[in-house]
Amino acid sequence: AQKITQTQPGMFVQEKEAVTLDCTYDTSDPSYGLFWYKQPSSGEMIFLIYQGSYDQQNATEGRYSLNFQKARKSANLVISASQLGDSAMYFCAMREREKSSGDKLTFGTGTRLAVRP
Amino acid sequence: DVKVTQSSRYLVKRTGEKVFLECVQDMDHENMFWYRQDPGLGLRLIYFSYDVKMKEKGDIPEGYSVSREKKERFSLILESASTNQTSMYLCASSGRPGQEYEQYFGPGTRLTVT
Repeated sequence: AQKITQTQPGMFVQEKEAVTLDCTYDTSDPSYGLFWYKQPSSGEMIFLIYQGSYDQQNATEGRYSLNFQKARKSANLVISASQLGDSAMYFCAMREREKSSGDKLTFGTGTRLAVRP
Repeated sequence: DVKVTQSSRYLVKRTGEKVFLECVQDMDHENMFWYRQDPGLGLRLIYFSYDVKMKEKGDIPEGYSVSREKKERFSLILESASTNQTSMYLCASSGRPGQEYEQYFGPGTRLTVT
C-alpha cells in the first residue's frame, strides 16, 4: 500500500495566485513527520517545510504553509502568491519512527507545478 | 551551509560494468542515504547508514551495495550494472543538531547503462 499519495501529477497556477498541492499519508505510527521538498529542473532537492505529528499548529515558512489535517491524514502544501520560480516538481515525504529506521523518509510520486505568467 | 556533493552529474556505463557513485558531506552528519528517482515513482530508498561501517537496506536494495568507511563518505556500488539501473541517483545526509530530521540532498547523478 502507498504510504504517501500525491494524486496530482501536474498542476498549473497563475502567477500571484495561491495553489494547494495535495498529499495524503498512511501510517500506524503515532510519532511521524511530514515534509515537502521542491525539485527544480536543475535536479537538486530543496527542503521547504516540516510538520511533526504532535505539532499543534500548522507549519509555515514564508510563502509556504502546510495544511495538516491529522484525522484525514492529509498534509497539503499551500503556496501563496505564486512566482515563476515556483515552477518545479514538489514531493511530499513522511518519516516514521519505527525500530531502527530512524529518520528514513518515504516519498510520494510528486506533483509538477507550472506557474503561468 | 550544508554541502552534499556527488562525484558525477552524468555517467554512462556499459552493461556488466562495476559502477561506483560517491557522495561526500561536509557537516559531520551521522546519517546518509542513497535514493533513486524514476518518473512516476518518486524517490525510492536503496540503502542508508547511521554510522561508519554500518548499513541498512532500504526499499529496493537488490543489485546494489554500499560502503561507509569514513563518516563523511557514502558510496553506492553497482556490482554489475544493468539497463534497468538507468536512473537518477540522489544522495542525502541528515543529523544537524536540533534538526536531525531534515535531509540535505546532493545534486544527483544521472546514470545511463547501455
